Amino acid sequence: GNSVTQMEGPVTLSEEAFLTINCTYTATGYPSLFWYVQYPGEGLQLLLKATKADDKGSNKGFEATYRKETTSFHLEKGSVQVSDSAVYFCALSDTGANNLFFGTGTRLTVIP
Amino acid sequence: EAQVTQNPRYLITVTGKKLTVTCSQNMNHEYMSWYRQDPGLGLRQIYYSMNVEVTDKGDVPEGYKVSRKEKRNFPLILESPSPNQTSLYFCASSLSVGGSANSPLHFGNGTRLTVT
Repeated sequence: GNSVTQMEGPVTLSEEAFLTINCTYTATGYPSLFWYVQYPGEGLQLLLKATKADDKGSNKGFEATYRKETTSFHLEKGSVQVSDSAVYFCALSDTGANNLFFGTGTRLTVIP
Repeated sequence: EAQVTQNPRYLITVTGKKLTVTCSQNMNHEYMSWYRQDPGLGLRQIYYSMNVEVTDKGDVPEGYKVSRKEKRNFPLILESPSPNQTSLYFCASSLSVGGSANSPLHFGNGTRLTVT
């Protein structure tokens, strides 16, 4: 079946630190992979996506590379800011599926 | 402004008292969905709709009902709420199949429901 596993949180970093949030997946077909971000008091919004192996999604300084050999889609950012504090969700959309499969979310807090 | 609007944002009710959470989108999206978000469980899909008059169960449909009489609206109905339905609920929509690469999901701001 389809599933997404992401690293447990919460994660607390100092401003300008390097961020990695791990995400691995299982899928029966050829999934597309996503990172969604949820800022406090808001709904989720798409951060970045990748549709095939070796694709790199990027947005707002965040990057993630679709690694089929390790079934991973880790989120990275070289220098986090206080405004990046949010909950980050990894998700997949499998071939022919009618919905997204979400991970459990990782809360990131960035302190000045 | 393109958006998904949910109401109310906060709702406190008692066991057994029927309630409806409304959801409306102004993007002419075909696909709409309801999720609940619980600590440690992430988002779980309750129901989804591929188009008007077409609805289907998600992963956790028990205790919920939906309807899709118009394209823009997708209300979530709890006929007899129970405390285990205390949660944060999100409505989402997308142009076509829910959340595909070319059709990302757009989320509302959430409804926090407490059932005592």
